[in-house]
Amino acid sequence: AQSVTQLGSHVSVSEGALVLLRCNYSSSVPPYLFWYVQYPNQGLQLLLKYTSAATLVKGINGFEAEFKKSETSFHLTKPSAHMSDAAEYFCAVTLSGGSYIPTFGRGTSLIVHP
Amino acid sequence: NAGVTQTPKFQVLKTGQSMTLQCAQDMNHNSMYWYRQDPGMGLRLIYYSASEGTTDKGEVPNGYNVSRLNKREFSLRLESAAPSQTSVYFCASSVGTAGNTIYFGEGSWLTVV
Repeated sequence: AQSVTQLGSHVSVSEGALVLLRCNYSSSVPPYLFWYVQYPNQGLQLLLKYTSAATLVKGINGFEAEFKKSETSFHLTKPSAHMSDAAEYFCAVTLSGGSYIPTFGRGTSLIVHP
Repeated sequence: NAGVTQTPKFQVLKTGQSMTLQCAQDMNHNSMYWYRQDPGMGLRLIYYSASEGTTDKGEVPNGYNVSRLNKREFSLRLESAAPSQTSVYFCASSVGTAGNTIYFGEGSWLTVV
């Protein structure tokens, strides 16, 4: 079985500061990993995903994430936060060769201060 | 450019009433899902359908039923609504293999009083 842990239900940054949202996973086989973003009153949309190609994955809106097998992590970063980045972010995992149904983390709310 | 469309967007029910949430996708996806989202709980899978004609329980199926009407449509029914079912409901779809992106609808806000 797989699981995902997102550290911190809320992360607060100033506009222009580094964004770091943490995600650790647990799986017995190689995982596929996803970050989804949810803007207020909207559904989730894909930000980026890791599917066993390059370990550094670039997504939309300047976000990127690095798959680190030794640390079982897939942290999301952005060098400089923008007010429009304020949203809920979800990490998710599926297993290669296993169930395609993703397991989602509980989400991290990103707050961006002017 | 519809993607996943779900209706209604907002609904208020009295305890004991029934209702159906409708969902349709136009991406020819095999798999469809219903999730609920509650504060601090993330997304929890209610039911899913791997393909037309099949449905399976997810993490929190009690109090719900589903119908995969055809490849496009997947409905969620609350037979006797309870206040604990107050939530935001999301329909989603995907091709149905590991590594594929899941596409979400915009959500249905349900309040049971």
